[in-house]
Amino acid sequence: KAGVTQTPRYLIKTRGQQVTLSCSPISGHRSVSWYQQTPGQGLQFLFEYFSETQRNKGNFPGRFSGRQFSNSRSEMNVSTLELGDSALYLCASSLGGGVSYEQYFGPGTRLTVT
Amino acid sequence: QKEVEQNSGPLSVPEGAIASLNCTYSDRGSQSFFWYRQYSGKSPELIMFIYSNGDKEDGRFTAQLNKASQYVSLLIRDSQPSDSATYLCAATGGSYIPTFGRGTSLIVHP
Repeated sequence: KAGVTQTPRYLIKTRGQQVTLSCSPISGHRSVSWYQQTPGQGLQFLFEYFSETQRNKGNFPGRFSGRQFSNSRSEMNVSTLELGDSALYLCASSLGGGVSYEQYFGPGTRLTVT
Repeated sequence: QKEVEQNSGPLSVPEGAIASLNCTYSDRGSQSFFWYRQYSGKSPELIMFIYSNGDKEDGRFTAQLNKASQYVSLLIRDSQPSDSATYLCAATGGSYIPTFGRGTSLIVHP
């Protein structure tokens, strides 16, 4: 079974621009979560989508948004990029039900904002 | 504020020894616990999960959960240099949003 895929793998953007990241979950998984990982803050939860609906949201500003499509693929958008948005953005998929909630991470998108 | 605490390390063990990684959590409502391994420059990889008090074994890995003490541990037997990585502990509660610890760096030296 194919794993979680994320595109692009690397991205360099300029402050003030916007960016869209894509994630394709494991086949059959309906939950997609997004995380930001930085050396200073560790792994921080952005939001989770389940069956095209945002089910949970972390403490990030409204510049960070996402959506999920009917095939469970998800996109994350960051508008008006700031230098502090430079990070590894990870997508994780899960079956999404019950307390098991094992998540499987994609390879990540390394975003650099200059 | 839900927190998961881990000693940042590094924890250094010789090859063949048992590595013991520990994690405490603040939310008594946490129900599920996960250990992830993350190699430098790579994404986290799920190693084990545990829901019930006691021990759970999978190959060289044993997860231990003590809900009364709010404590989770991961034992790695017969440690190999390839086990050198950062190990992340995560806990989830009713909201299913995992809270991750900052990770413990493990170094297994030959």
